[in-house]
Amino acid sequence: QFVLTQPPSVSGAPGQRVTISCTGSSSNLGAGHDVHWYQQLPGTAPKLIIYTNTNRPSGVPDRFSGSKSGTSASLAITGLQPEDETDYYCQSYDDRLSGSYVFGTGTKVTVL
Amino acid sequence: QVQLQQSGPGLVKPSQTLSLTCAISGDSVSTKSASWNWIRQSPSRGLEWLGRTYFRSKWDNDYAESVKGRITVKPDTSKNQFSLQLNSVTPEDTAVYYCARQLLTACFDRWGQGTLVTVSS
Repeated sequence: QFVLTQPPSVSGAPGQRVTISCTGSSSNLGAGHDVHWYQQLPGTAPKLIIYTNTNRPSGVPDRFSGSKSGTSASLAITGLQPEDETDYYCQSYDDRLSGSYVFGTGTKVTVL
Repeated sequence: QVQLQQSGPGLVKPSQTLSLTCAISGDSVSTKSASWNWIRQSPSRGLEWLGRTYFRSKWDNDYAESVKGRITVKPDTSKNQFSLQLNSVTPEDTAVYYCARQLLTACFDRWGQGTLVTVSS
């Protein structure tokens, strides 16, 4: 059911760097499809924070960065802030399933 | 500033049709630079893309395999909005439903506020 796998949780102290992995396969990330990242605060809609692997929309702090290589992608948060404690999701496209947009399993970031 | 405003009932009976509408401001449903999507979120299925409508040289749709045959996403150009109809719902269709704009880069950059739809008798 889930084609993009993320760790359920990551944690770090304020000011530290954390990374969230997004592992796919040859039919999505490995096929060259781009990855996008979303932040979701409780009770609200997801918010786009990284698009097309590495790009930040206007207004997103530069402590958020993205990368992609082969069948995997990563979201890094440097200088972790208390307000970064929430859920994060990756998203891409999968060539199977008759072509479909797919989301990761989600990762909860905890600021210690 | 593009905004999406959702409306529709929060309770639907099993076997009936779920209907939601998403009103667009700051953009046009007929734009060739985006598509208009429905996505749902539940604890068991996570974030699940359901389908979209878009205009290029004509109107077209794409639907997820999981709901194909039960889903219709339609534009309404006179009201600059689009809608979701999901037929023959079961309790497994209980979720928060979001409408979202998708750019040509395939990311979802604008989202509606979400509607919790419960399927129950």
